[in-house]
Amino acid sequence: QKEVEQNSGPLSVPEGAIASLNCTYSDRGSQSFFWYRQYSGKSPELIMSIYSNGDKEDGRFTAQLNKASQYVSLLIRDSQPSDSATYLCAVMRDTGGFKTIFGAGTRLFVKA
Amino acid sequence: DTAVSQTPKYLVTQMGNDKSIKCEQNLGHDTMYWYKQDSKKFLKIMFSYNNKELIINETVPNRFSPKSPDKAHLNLHINSLELGDSAVYFCASRGRETQYFGPGTRLLVL
Repeated sequence: QKEVEQNSGPLSVPEGAIASLNCTYSDRGSQSFFWYRQYSGKSPELIMSIYSNGDKEDGRFTAQLNKASQYVSLLIRDSQPSDSATYLCAVMRDTGGFKTIFGAGTRLFVKA
Repeated sequence: DTAVSQTPKYLVTQMGNDKSIKCEQNLGHDTMYWYKQDSKKFLKIMFSYNNKELIINETVPNRFSPKSPDKAHLNLHINSLELGDSAVYFCASRGRETQYFGPGTRLLVL
């Protein structure tokens, strides 16, 4: 079992729709959870972080965390073509080195 | 001002050569990382240094040797390059909440 699993996609949604990205993780001791966006040929950039169960909203983005189910999700409302990118789920546990494990990413296409 | 910079941006070399990649951050962070992203976009941690001390060393061939002369710099030296080393190598610096990634070094081993 991979430590962080994501559906590789591609996930295709029409402009204006809600895009839903999912991630599961295996380490129950994980403490911090992140969503990064990576455009083709660019470096990852953080879009959301979440640390406790529930929802966290930031603009059009909502992260959801359920530690009991070991599940993290990202919702993108009113999807725009500029949201087309690969979204990387990442989990971190402080084992003395703040090791972050990334999923393989989900490719999102937003069709205009 | 670039927060995390890497040089070179592109590196094309022959099998068996030795090469180095340099990374510098001007964010004042104590912790820096090296990641490898393969052709399937899987981003995998290789090393982490905290204030010049190695704190994470994943299962990486010993042909890879990181060096941190000071906490703002983390370099990566690779000996006897192999075809499988072809990837994008990202340096990152850790702030309070997240990591800031450099632009990446695209390494192609022929």
